[in-house]
Amino acid sequence: QVQLQQSGPGLVKPSQTLSLTCAISGDSVSSNSAVWNWIRQSPSRGLEWLGRTYHRSSWTNDYAVFLKSRITISPDTSKNQFSLQLNSVTPEDTAVYYCAGRVAGSGAFDIWGQGTMVTVSS
Amino acid sequence: DIVMTQSPDSLAVSLGERATINCKSSQSVFYSSNNKNYLGWYQQKPGQPPKLLISWASTRESGVPDRFIGSGSGTDFTLTISSLQAEDVAVYYCHQYYSTAFTFGPGTKVEIK
Repeated sequence: QVQLQQSGPGLVKPSQTLSLTCAISGDSVSSNSAVWNWIRQSPSRGLEWLGRTYHRSSWTNDYAVFLKSRITISPDTSKNQFSLQLNSVTPEDTAVYYCAGRVAGSGAFDIWGQGTMVTVSS
Repeated sequence: DIVMTQSPDSLAVSLGERATINCKSSQSVFYSSNNKNYLGWYQQKPGQPPKLLISWASTRESGVPDRFIGSGSGTDFTLTISSLQAEDVAVYYCHQYYSTAFTFGPGTKVEIK
């Protein structure tokens, strides 16, 4: 059974970098069938897909256009996890952040982390 | 990006009665090459992450009760809860994964009348 465990700070200062990690159990970050994603949710913007990483013959990352160059998603094969970095945060980035996986061939996000409430405030 | 809309915003249904949620996409999410609609439905209860109920517009995930029924094709989809149970109180979201700029509907809140 695949499980995702998130970790990271719940408070980030404006202009700094938001960093979260998602540890995978029951599957591999290097799986040639899974896709690993970050999604956030806020009352004002709803559910927003932020980006993904996955491995086939090589690693591929895709990011939401609205985040432009602020986002990086990185796999860590040694720890079987993947991470999110969001630079230059503003209060608009305050949200619950989720990692989510597509592991079972459904095409959709069939496994989710528990969520991390991140507040951007000085 | 594909814009997802849902109706109604909320609904209250008596226990044992039918609940119907509609979802519309701004462009078709149907792939003719594999005859699949790239549309999923999620259930979210307070303090929990969304849970995938239905993928490919009508395929229930393992363990999801058969009272949850997904239907539709192209741009118009429906999630039906055939006989509402108390544990079904939640917000329901549709989601398109046709385009890599994945998007979600705004949600429909289901309550007990």
